[in-house]
This record gives sequence, structure tokens and C-alpha cells, in this order.
Amino acid sequence: DVKVTQSSRYLVKRTGEKVFLECVQDMDHENMFWYRQDPGLGLRLIYFSYDVKMKEKGDIPEGYSVSREKKERFSLILESASTNQTSMYLCASSPGVDNSPLHFGNGTRLTVT
Amino acid sequence: GQNIDQPTEMTATEGAIVQINCTYQTSGFNGLFWYQQHAGEAPTFLSYNVLDGLEEKGRFSSFLSRSKGYSYLLLKELQMKDSASYLCAVLDSNYQLIWGAGTKLIIKP
Repeated sequence: DVKVTQSSRYLVKRTGEKVFLECVQDMDHENMFWYRQDPGLGLRLIYFSYDVKMKEKGDIPEGYSVSREKKERFSLILESASTNQTSMYLCASSPGVDNSPLHFGNGTRLTVT
Repeated sequence: GQNIDQPTEMTATEGAIVQINCTYQTSGFNGLFWYQQHAGEAPTFLSYNVLDGLEEKGRFSSFLSRSKGYSYLLLKELQMKDSASYLCAVLDSNYQLIWGAGTKLIIKP
């Protein structure tokens, strides 16, 4: 079974702090994704990556950056956390085939105060 | 714009059948996914449809009509563990996933 592991289930940070969310997958998947999930909204794509050191902006990249130095690890960075970034963050991976289903991590619930 | 519509919440009785609908308007179509998400957990893949018709997988079936921009997920012999949110997502012409807001399914004994 594919395992996607997110480093923290819950995080509480202060406004203005730099925040790192880490995600590791163990199935050698090419594609990795960061989404945020808010009540009443569909999953919104922040950034994705199709290969090491490669990144593409999703629908809502503002205020975020990413890093993919190794194939198995995809990090989401909030340069200066703001209260409107309080959300559930989901990492996902998939093999390099366009219609492959995503495998999700359990999510990180981030609260910015 | 691109849009996926699903009911916000549905209630059904243990042992019964429930149908969760999803309608979509997207730029192109390369398939439709259904995911299940229990509260506080990761979404997990249930089904993928790219051709019209019904795909059956045990108690769960998924139907697609591309001409109508419509899909449904059918759950039979409902069990309490089926209480979850069900997410519909469409792969558009650029192979980007467009997500619905999800349907929260409540099962009552």
C-alpha cells in the first residue's frame, strides 16, 4: 500500500511566522500535490510537482512556496503565516500517469493565531 | 468557469440504498473520480469513470453520462461505517482535477 506521511497532524503558529509542512511518500511516485481543504469548498490546489526540483503553481499559490529536493519529499512553506491560512492541508501523490488516482496523507490542521 | 455540484448533506438508513449525485461543467473531460473521506482522515479512492455507463465494485457503483455532465455514486446495503464525506472530482482537458465540495452522508440505525 502507498503511504503518504505528513509530519504533523496539528500545528498552531503565530501570524508572521515561517511554517514548514513536510510530506513524504514511499512508492516512488513522480507526482506530488499540496491542497487545502476548507468547509463548504472543494479541495483547492496550491502547488504541484511532476519531478524533482520541478514545481508548478496551482489555483491558489499566493502566500505559499514549495520545495522538492528529493523525489519522495515535497515541502510546503508559508513564508509569513496569516490567519486566512488557517486550514486543513492535504498532501497527495500519484504515479506519472494522468488519470491515476491520488493517494493522500492524513492532513495537517494548521491554526494561525 | 468550471463547476462541480453535489448535495451538501444526505441522510440514509442502515441497510438501505443511497444515490449521491454529481453534476459538472468543465473545460473538457478526461474522467471522473469518487473519493471517500471519513472525518479527520485522508480521502481514499473509490472509483474512476471515463466512459458512459455503470461501474460496479461490491456495494458501491458509479455511473457516468458525459452528454449530461452527470455522475452518481450508488451505495447499497448501507453500513454505519459508510458515514463519511464523498468527493466528486473531474479531470479536465489539461488533466487538472476539479473538485466538488463533497457530500456528507449520515447513516442512521
